[in-house]
Amino acid sequence: ETGVTQSPTHLIKTRGQQVTLRCSSQSGHNTVSWYQQALGQGPQFIFQYYREEENGRGNFPPRFSGLQFPNYSSELNVNALELDDSALYLCASSPMAGELFFGEGSRLTVL
Amino acid sequence: AQRVTQPEKLLSVFKGAPVELKCNYSYSGSPELFWYVQYSRQRLQLLLRHISRESIKGFTADLNKGETSFHLKKPFAQEEDSAMYYCALRRMNRDDKIIFGKGTRLHILP
Repeated sequence: ETGVTQSPTHLIKTRGQQVTLRCSSQSGHNTVSWYQQALGQGPQFIFQYYREEENGRGNFPPRFSGLQFPNYSSELNVNALELDDSALYLCASSPMAGELFFGEGSRLTVL
Repeated sequence: AQRVTQPEKLLSVFKGAPVELKCNYSYSGSPELFWYVQYSRQRLQLLLRHISRESIKGFTADLNKGETSFHLKKPFAQEEDSAMYYCALRRMNRDDKIIFGKGTRLHILP
């Protein structure tokens, strides 16, 4: 059974650029959630997708957007990057209302 | 609005001593509570959830709706328990999203 995988593991961008982070869900999971974890903080909920539809969103601006594909893999897109967007971005997949299975994260640095 | 509060950023406990990691929550609906753990160089993973009422690695947690708490306890700490612990809440019957507290770093002293 393949776990949740995320890519890239590390990346550096400059202010104003755009970034796409990718996540492959664990087999059999139809829900994917994205979290932002700043240094020394807990994971902050960005949004959740269930069967390709967004069905929950945290307090993040619209420049944070996402997609879930028919194979349940997912993307997180962030436009107009700001310095405060520097963080670890975690993807977690789950069966609906089940336990979250996390990836190792993508560490984004915005200069 | 829902919130999960972990009042301690760092908790240092001697090996063999009891451990209690505090978690309080606020949510007007029906919550499901979890503890997630992150060991050094590993990914975040589920430790236990209140609906399963299991004891995992010697840890237990009881949901106290009157005090809105879900404290994590272990009678005798072991060195391998050193990790980052996050309390989390799921908003049942809404969007089922899970929100996390800021975490407590547990350091077991030899």
